Amino acid sequence: DIQMTQSPSSLSASVGDRVTITCRASQDINDNVAWFQQKPGKAPKSLIYGASSLHDGVPSKFSGSGFGTDFTLTITSLQPEDFATYYCQQYNRRPLTFGGGTTVDI
Amino acid sequence: QVQLVESGGGVVQPGRSLRLSCAASGFTFSGYAMHWVRQAPGKGLEWLTFISYDGSDKYYTDSVTGRFTVSRDNSKNTLYLQMNSLGPDDTAVYFCAREFYGDFSWGQGTLVTVSS
Repeated sequence: DIQMTQSPSSLSASVGDRVTITCRASQDINDNVAWFQQKPGKAPKSLIYGASSLHDGVPSKFSGSGFGTDFTLTITSLQPEDFATYYCQQYNRRPLTFGGGTTVDI
Repeated sequence: QVQLVESGGGVVQPGRSLRLSCAASGFTFSGYAMHWVRQAPGKGLEWLTFISYDGSDKYYTDSVTGRFTVSRDNSKNTLYLQMNSLGPDDTAVYFCAREFYGDFSWGQGTLVTVSS
């Protein structure tokens, strides 16, 4: 199975900050990475697919990059509604696998 | 707009079975692959199973192979997950998700609690 190593596991930030979350795959997965946001007690929300394509309706403050094994999610101008847990996922090969999550809090 | 509504969760005794449903609306259900993903309390996301748009291709993660069965009824716009031999480690919120070339859309989830 492909392992997705996400870092950091948590980070503290302030409103207006720019934050970057990274995900490293245990093998080459091309650009077959998605990013999700999840708030407590809620379903995941899709942000990014294909490493850098925005899911419909997601604001451009979210961006993704990377190819092969190293990927990043960047959030600019952090707002209160952005404080949540973020997950990466590879869908290059089954079984699909998720990173361990990054909790962004104040 | 895309809507996925899971149902069928609840409290079940160890060793028993449960069937989850995911009702789809707002899109052409028969044109999309579907997945089930779960999240144990306080834990991360765990992918469980995939089914192709027409049901001809299915794949499962090791921990549920032989116990869980995914199916779909495109005439009813509904995805199913039959879960047998449930154990405490299966306690989780179960989400269905639509996939289109890696772009996922999620349901709100249904809670399954395995307890005596």
